[in-house]
Amino acid sequence: DAGVIQSPRHEVTEMGQEVTLRCKPISGHDYLFWYRQTMMRGLELLIYFNNNVPIDDSGMPEDRFSAKMPNASFSTLKIQPSEPRDSAVYFCASRAGGSTDTQYFGPGTRLTVL
Amino acid sequence: GENVEQHPSTLSVQEGDSAVIKCTYSDSASNYFPWYKQELGKRPQLIIDIRSNVGEKKDQRIAVTLNKTAKHFSLHITETQPEDSAVYFCAARGPLSGGYNKLIFGAGTRLAVHP
Repeated sequence: DAGVIQSPRHEVTEMGQEVTLRCKPISGHDYLFWYRQTMMRGLELLIYFNNNVPIDDSGMPEDRFSAKMPNASFSTLKIQPSEPRDSAVYFCASRAGGSTDTQYFGPGTRLTVL
Repeated sequence: GENVEQHPSTLSVQEGDSAVIKCTYSDSASNYFPWYKQELGKRPQLIIDIRSNVGEKKDQRIAVTLNKTAKHFSLHITETQPEDSAVYFCAARGPLSGGYNKLIFGAGTRLAVHP
Protein backbone atom coordinates (compact mmCIF):
# COMPACT_ATOMS: atom_id res chain seq x y z
CA ASP A 1 0.00 0.00 0.00
CA ALA A 2 1.36 3.42 -0.94
CA GLY A 3 -0.06 5.14 2.10
CA VAL A 4 -1.64 8.58 2.03
CA ILE A 5 -0.38 10.59 -0.94
CA GLN A 6 -0.22 14.36 -1.05
CA SER A 7 0.78 16.78 -3.78
CA PRO A 8 2.54 19.02 -4.22
CA ARG A 9 5.14 18.43 -1.51
CA HIS A 10 6.23 22.05 -1.63
CA GLU A 11 4.39 25.09 -2.86
CA VAL A 12 5.64 28.64 -3.01
CA THR A 13 3.19 31.27 -4.12
CA GLU A 14 2.56 34.97 -3.87
CA MET A 15 -0.04 36.60 -1.73
CA GLY A 16 -3.40 36.74 -3.43
CA GLN A 17 -2.88 33.65 -5.55
CA GLU A 18 -5.07 30.56 -5.39
CA VAL A 19 -3.51 27.45 -3.91
CA THR A 20 -4.84 23.91 -4.28
CA LEU A 21 -3.51 21.05 -2.21
CA ARG A 22 -4.34 17.47 -3.10
CA CYS A 23 -4.72 14.25 -1.17
CA LYS A 24 -5.29 10.61 -2.00
CA PRO A 25 -6.26 8.59 1.08
CA ILE A 26 -5.38 4.97 1.68
CA SER A 27 -7.66 2.79 -0.44
CA GLY A 28 -10.68 1.62 1.50
CA HIS A 29 -10.43 4.26 4.21
CA ASP A 30 -13.71 5.96 5.00
CA TYR A 31 -12.39 9.00 6.85
CA LEU A 32 -10.19 11.80 5.57
CA PHE A 33 -8.77 14.59 7.71
CA TRP A 34 -7.02 17.84 6.79
CA TYR A 35 -4.61 19.35 9.33
CA ARG A 36 -2.46 22.44 9.43
CA GLN A 37 0.77 22.51 11.40
CA THR A 38 2.59 25.66 12.52
CA MET A 39 5.07 26.36 15.26
CA MET A 40 2.66 28.71 16.98
CA ARG A 41 -0.54 26.66 16.81
CA GLY A 42 0.70 23.09 16.55
CA LEU A 43 -1.45 20.51 14.75
CA GLU A 44 -4.90 21.88 14.01
CA LEU A 45 -7.72 19.90 12.46
CA LEU A 46 -9.30 21.93 9.68
CA ILE A 47 -12.00 19.61 8.37
CA TYR A 48 -12.82 15.94 8.07
CA PHE A 49 -14.92 13.82 5.72
CA ASN A 50 -16.74 10.54 6.18
CA ASN A 51 -17.59 8.66 3.00
CA ASN A 52 -16.84 11.82 0.98
CA VAL A 53 -19.23 13.97 3.04
CA PRO A 54 -17.85 16.89 5.09
CA ILE A 55 -18.74 16.22 8.72
CA ASP A 56 -16.99 18.92 10.72
CA ASP A 57 -15.44 22.04 9.21
CA SER A 58 -15.30 24.03 12.44
CA GLY A 59 -11.52 24.25 12.18
CA MET A 60 -11.50 25.97 8.80
CA PRO A 61 -10.05 29.39 9.60
CA GLU A 62 -12.17 31.50 7.29
CA ASP A 63 -14.04 31.65 4.02
CA ARG A 64 -10.82 31.74 2.05
CA PHE A 65 -10.43 28.04 2.82
CA SER A 66 -12.56 25.38 1.18
CA ALA A 67 -12.28 21.60 0.89
CA LYS A 68 -13.92 19.04 -1.33
CA MET A 69 -13.95 15.29 -1.68
CA PRO A 70 -15.54 14.44 -5.02
CA ASN A 71 -14.84 10.72 -4.64
CA ALA A 72 -13.39 8.21 -2.22
CA SER A 73 -9.87 8.51 -3.58
CA PHE A 74 -9.37 12.25 -3.89
CA SER A 75 -9.70 15.40 -1.83
CA THR A 76 -8.60 19.01 -2.28
CA LEU A 77 -7.98 21.89 0.06
CA LYS A 78 -8.14 25.27 -1.62
CA ILE A 79 -7.04 28.65 -0.35
CA GLN A 80 -8.24 31.67 -2.31
CA PRO A 81 -6.82 34.24 -1.96
CA SER A 82 -3.74 33.09 -0.09
CA GLU A 83 -2.05 35.23 2.56
CA PRO A 84 1.40 35.02 4.19
CA ARG A 85 -0.16 33.81 7.46
CA ASP A 86 -1.36 30.70 5.61
CA SER A 87 2.24 29.52 5.38
CA ALA A 88 2.35 26.15 7.14
CA VAL A 89 2.63 22.43 6.55
CA TYR A 90 -0.70 20.93 5.56
CA PHE A 91 -1.23 17.26 6.33
CA CYS A 92 -3.88 14.93 5.06
CA ALA A 93 -4.68 11.80 7.07
CA SER A 94 -7.05 8.89 6.61
CA ARG A 95 -8.61 6.23 8.76
CA ALA A 96 -10.57 3.10 8.05
CA GLY A 97 -14.17 2.90 9.14
CA GLY A 98 -15.79 0.71 11.78
CA SER A 99 -13.92 0.33 15.04
CA THR A 100 -10.46 0.98 13.61
CA ASP A 101 -8.69 3.71 15.57
CA THR A 102 -5.44 4.30 13.73
CA GLN A 103 -5.08 7.46 11.70
CA TYR A 104 -2.36 7.57 9.05
CA PHE A 105 -0.78 10.82 7.93
CA GLY A 106 0.45 11.78 4.48
CA PRO A 107 3.88 13.36 3.92
CA GLY A 108 2.46 16.87 4.01
CA THR A 109 2.60 19.91 1.75
CA ARG A 110 4.84 22.75 2.86
CA LEU A 111 3.16 25.97 1.75
CA THR A 112 4.98 29.27 1.64
CA VAL A 113 3.02 32.39 0.76
CA LEU A 114 5.25 35.36 0.00
CA GLY B 1 -14.75 20.23 24.06
CA GLU B 2 -11.66 18.17 24.72
CA ASN B 3 -8.42 19.88 25.69
CA VAL B 4 -5.06 18.12 25.87
CA GLU B 5 -2.07 19.57 27.68
CA GLN B 6 1.41 18.14 27.19
CA HIS B 7 4.56 18.57 29.27
CA PRO B 8 7.39 19.26 28.99
CA SER B 9 7.67 21.21 25.77
CA THR B 10 11.34 20.26 25.45
CA LEU B 11 13.30 17.40 26.97
CA SER B 12 16.99 16.72 26.76
CA VAL B 13 18.48 13.40 27.93
CA GLN B 14 21.69 11.48 27.62
CA GLU B 15 21.76 8.37 25.50
CA GLY B 16 20.72 5.38 27.59
CA ASP B 17 18.62 7.42 30.01
CA SER B 18 14.83 7.22 30.22
CA ALA B 19 12.45 9.90 28.98
CA VAL B 20 8.93 10.56 30.23
CA ILE B 21 6.34 12.80 28.58
CA LYS B 22 3.05 13.54 30.29
CA CYS B 23 -0.37 14.57 29.00
CA THR B 24 -3.61 15.48 30.67
CA TYR B 25 -7.05 15.57 29.07
CA SER B 26 -10.30 17.20 30.07
CA ASP B 27 -13.11 15.09 28.60
CA SER B 28 -13.90 12.05 30.73
CA ALA B 29 -15.53 10.47 27.68
CA SER B 30 -12.16 10.14 25.94
CA ASN B 31 -11.18 6.50 25.57
CA TYR B 32 -8.42 6.40 22.96
CA PHE B 33 -4.95 7.88 23.46
CA PRO B 34 -2.36 7.59 20.67
CA TRP B 35 1.20 8.86 20.64
CA TYR B 36 2.80 10.10 17.43
CA LYS B 37 6.47 10.66 16.66
CA GLN B 38 7.44 13.31 14.14
CA GLU B 39 10.99 13.53 12.89
CA LEU B 40 12.20 16.77 11.36
CA GLY B 41 10.51 17.38 8.02
CA LYS B 42 8.53 14.16 8.19
CA ARG B 43 4.94 13.17 8.86
CA PRO B 44 3.61 12.25 12.32
CA GLN B 45 3.73 8.48 12.74
CA LEU B 46 1.87 6.44 15.31
CA ILE B 47 4.25 4.72 17.72
CA ILE B 48 1.89 3.38 20.37
CA ASP B 49 -1.68 3.82 21.55
CA ILE B 50 -3.79 2.82 24.51
CA ARG B 51 -7.47 2.43 25.11
CA SER B 52 -9.22 3.22 28.34
CA ASN B 53 -9.87 -0.40 29.24
CA VAL B 54 -6.17 -0.94 30.06
CA GLY B 55 -3.78 0.90 32.33
CA GLU B 56 -0.48 0.17 30.59
CA LYS B 57 0.86 -1.00 27.27
CA LYS B 58 4.42 -1.80 26.26
CA ASP B 59 6.20 -2.20 22.96
CA GLN B 60 9.91 -2.89 23.33
CA ARG B 61 11.48 0.31 24.73
CA ILE B 62 8.24 2.27 24.64
CA ALA B 63 5.41 2.14 27.16
CA VAL B 64 2.30 4.18 27.78
CA THR B 65 0.42 4.40 31.08
CA LEU B 66 -3.09 5.72 31.62
CA ASN B 67 -4.74 7.00 34.79
CA LYS B 68 -8.42 7.47 34.00
CA THR B 69 -9.25 8.85 37.43
CA ALA B 70 -6.70 11.60 37.16
CA LYS B 71 -7.24 11.95 33.39
CA HIS B 72 -3.60 11.75 32.49
CA PHE B 73 -1.41 9.47 30.42
CA SER B 74 2.32 9.24 29.89
CA LEU B 75 4.84 8.01 27.37
CA HIS B 76 7.93 6.28 28.70
CA ILE B 77 10.98 5.63 26.55
CA THR B 78 13.73 3.55 28.11
CA GLU B 79 17.34 3.19 26.99
CA THR B 80 17.02 6.20 24.74
CA GLN B 81 19.00 6.34 21.51
CA PRO B 82 19.90 9.30 19.28
CA GLU B 83 17.33 8.13 16.73
CA ASP B 84 14.63 8.72 19.34
CA SER B 85 15.24 12.46 18.89
CA ALA B 86 12.02 13.90 17.46
CA VAL B 87 8.86 15.74 18.43
CA TYR B 88 6.32 13.56 20.22
CA PHE B 89 2.60 14.35 20.24
CA CYS B 90 -0.05 12.88 22.48
CA ALA B 91 -3.71 12.92 21.49
CA ALA B 92 -7.11 11.99 22.88
CA ARG B 93 -10.44 11.04 21.37
CA GLY B 94 -13.84 9.87 22.56
CA PRO B 95 -15.50 6.59 21.56
CA LEU B 96 -16.11 5.98 17.86
CA SER B 97 -19.48 4.52 18.81
CA GLY B 98 -20.37 7.89 20.30
CA GLY B 99 -19.60 9.73 17.09
CA TYR B 100 -16.20 10.98 18.22
CA ASN B 101 -13.85 11.09 15.25
CA LYS B 102 -11.50 13.96 15.96
CA LEU B 103 -8.12 13.47 17.56
CA ILE B 104 -7.27 16.37 19.86
CA PHE B 105 -3.50 16.81 19.93
CA GLY B 106 -1.19 18.13 22.60
CA ALA B 107 1.30 20.85 21.72
CA GLY B 108 4.19 18.42 21.35
CA THR B 109 7.45 17.64 23.17
CA ARG B 110 10.79 18.09 21.45
CA LEU B 111 13.03 15.28 22.68
CA ALA B 112 16.79 15.50 22.16
CA VAL B 113 18.92 12.47 22.95
CA HIS B 114 22.60 13.33 23.23
CA PRO B 115 25.26 10.69 22.55
